[in-house]
Amino acid sequence: ELKVEQNPLFLSMQEGKNYTIYCNYSTTSDRLYWYRQDPGKSLESLFVLLSNGAVKQEGRLMASLDTKARLSTLHITAAVHDLSATYFCAVDRTSGTYKYIFGTGTRLKVLA
Amino acid sequence: DAMVIQNPRYQVTQFGKPVTLSCSQTLNHNVMYWYQQKSSQAPKLLFHYYDKDFNNEADTPDNFQSRRPNTSFCFLDIRSPGLGDAAMYLCATSRGSGQGDNEQFFGPGTRLTVL
Repeated sequence: ELKVEQNPLFLSMQEGKNYTIYCNYSTTSDRLYWYRQDPGKSLESLFVLLSNGAVKQEGRLMASLDTKARLSTLHITAAVHDLSATYFCAVDRTSGTYKYIFGTGTRLKVLA
Repeated sequence: DAMVIQNPRYQVTQFGKPVTLSCSQTLNHNVMYWYQQKSSQAPKLLFHYYDKDFNNEADTPDNFQSRRPNTSFCFLDIRSPGLGDAAMYLCATSRGSGQGDNEQFFGPGTRLTVL
């Protein structure tokens, strides 16, 4: 059974600091996605990672994928308060039902 | 702009009174998904359609039903809502392709309150 784990579950950090969120998955997976969710809102797509070594960056966020280690990271550079949200990773397969397996989520709070 | 639309955004119902949530998409995607999300939890997949093919999750209660009359629309019916069904309900769509990505696009959600 495919499982996806994120850590940490909660992260409180000061503005200007750097930090990394980790997403581990249990079996071979083909595609990995990162989403952001603000309180009371829906999910917003951040990154789509399709191959080993893929790296994508948008503003202060950078995501990478290591399929051999079954690990994706979401790196935050010089955090600002606006990045406070819950971040989810999800994986799916290129065959079958295409449904996502979501990680547990990481609730990020950036303190001014 | 292509998008996923959910109505209503907020729904209040009474215990046991049937309710229907709707989702529409202009993306022409093959797959439509319904998720239930409770506070501080990851979204939980209830079921999804690949075109007209319905896929139910094993742990989705019988109280939840779905209809997809055409490509653009999908409905979630809760036949007898209980207090435990109060949650955010998210609709999402994707191309449903084994090639490239299968990025899911989420609607704004419907917040269901059960009194």
